[in-house]
This record gives sequence, C-alpha cells and structure tokens, in this order.
Amino acid sequence: DVKVTQSSRYLVKRTGEKVFLECVQDMDHENMFWYRQDPGLGLRLIYFSYDVKMKEKGDIPEGYSVSREKKERFSLILESASTNQTSMYLCASSLLAGGRDTQYFGPGTRLTVL
Amino acid sequence: LAKTTQPISMDSYEGQEVNITCSHNNIATNDYITWYQQFPSQGPRFIIQGYKTKVTNEVASLFIPADRKSSTLSLPRVSLSDTAVYYCLVGGETGANNLFFGTGTRLTVIP
Repeated sequence: DVKVTQSSRYLVKRTGEKVFLECVQDMDHENMFWYRQDPGLGLRLIYFSYDVKMKEKGDIPEGYSVSREKKERFSLILESASTNQTSMYLCASSLLAGGRDTQYFGPGTRLTVL
Repeated sequence: LAKTTQPISMDSYEGQEVNITCSHNNIATNDYITWYQQFPSQGPRFIIQGYKTKVTNEVASLFIPADRKSSTLSLPRVSLSDTAVYYCLVGGETGANNLFFGTGTRLTVIP
C-alpha cells in the first residue's frame, strides 16, 4: 500500500513564525501536492511538484513556498505565518500527473496560527 | 476550467441507496471524473473514476450522462460506516493546474 506521511498531526505556531510542513511518500511517485482544506471551501491546491526541484503554483500559492530536494519528500513552507493560514493541510502523491491517476493522501496537519 | 458544485450535506437511513450529484458544466474533453471519500481525521481516499456512461466497482457506481456536465455517485445500501465527506474531482490526464475538487458533500447515515 502507498503510504504518505506528514510530520505532524497538530501544530500551533505564532504569527510571524516560519513554519515547515513535511510530507514523505514511499511509492516512488513523481507527483506530489499540497492542499489546504477549509470548511465550506473544500480542498484547494496550493502547490504541486512533478519532479525533483520542479514545482508549479496551484490555486492559492500566496504566502506559501515549497521545496522538493528528494523525490520522496515535499515540504510546504510558510515564510511568515498569519492567522488566516490556520487550516488543515493535506499532502498527496500520485504516479502520474493530472486527474486520471489516483492521488494518495496523508492524514493531514491541522495548523493553528495564534 | 471545470469548476465543480456539490450539495453541502445529505442525510440517509441505513440500508438505503444514496445518490450524490456533482455539476461540472465546463468539463473539458480530456477531463476525468473521480470521487474521493474522507473520514474525520483522515485524508481523502479514492472511490471510483469514470469518463463517460457508467462505472461500477465493489464500493460504488458512477453515472455520467452523455453531455458529461454532471456525474452521480451511487452508494448502494449505505451503512453507518459510510458517514463521511465525498468529494468530486475533475481533471485532465496531464498537469495539476486544472484539477478541481468540489466543496464536498457531508453524508450522514442515520440508524
């Protein structure tokens, strides 16, 4: 089974802090994704990566950056956390890009910014 | 761009068939329709995928009309364990910048 793990289930940070969310997948997938999930808004794509060191902006990249130095690891970075970034963050991976292939999700990290 | 629209919530009694519809009026020719299920404190997981007509697996059926502007996820004889949020995703074969998840439908199964 594909396994996608996220470094923390719950995280509390203060406004202005730099925050790192880590995601690791064990199936040698080319593609990795970061979403945020908010009530009434569903899942919104922040960034995705289709190869090591390659990244593309999603629907809501403002305030975020990403890093993919190794194939199995995809990091989401909040350079200066703000209260409106309080949310559930979900990482996913897939072998192929696009909507044709199944995305495998991690359990999520619930981030609270005070 | 294929934005998606789903009902926010639905209730059903155990043992009934549940149909959840997703509207995607601007679906592109090469877009596929995929449904995911999400339980509390977990990430979404794949249920079923289709391109046109009908697809059935051991969990659900997916009905897609000829114009493909909507799709219906059908869950036969739901049980309490089917209580979850169901998401519709529309997207093409390549690239992730045209992937659109719906806002999700919260299904509550009542004993």
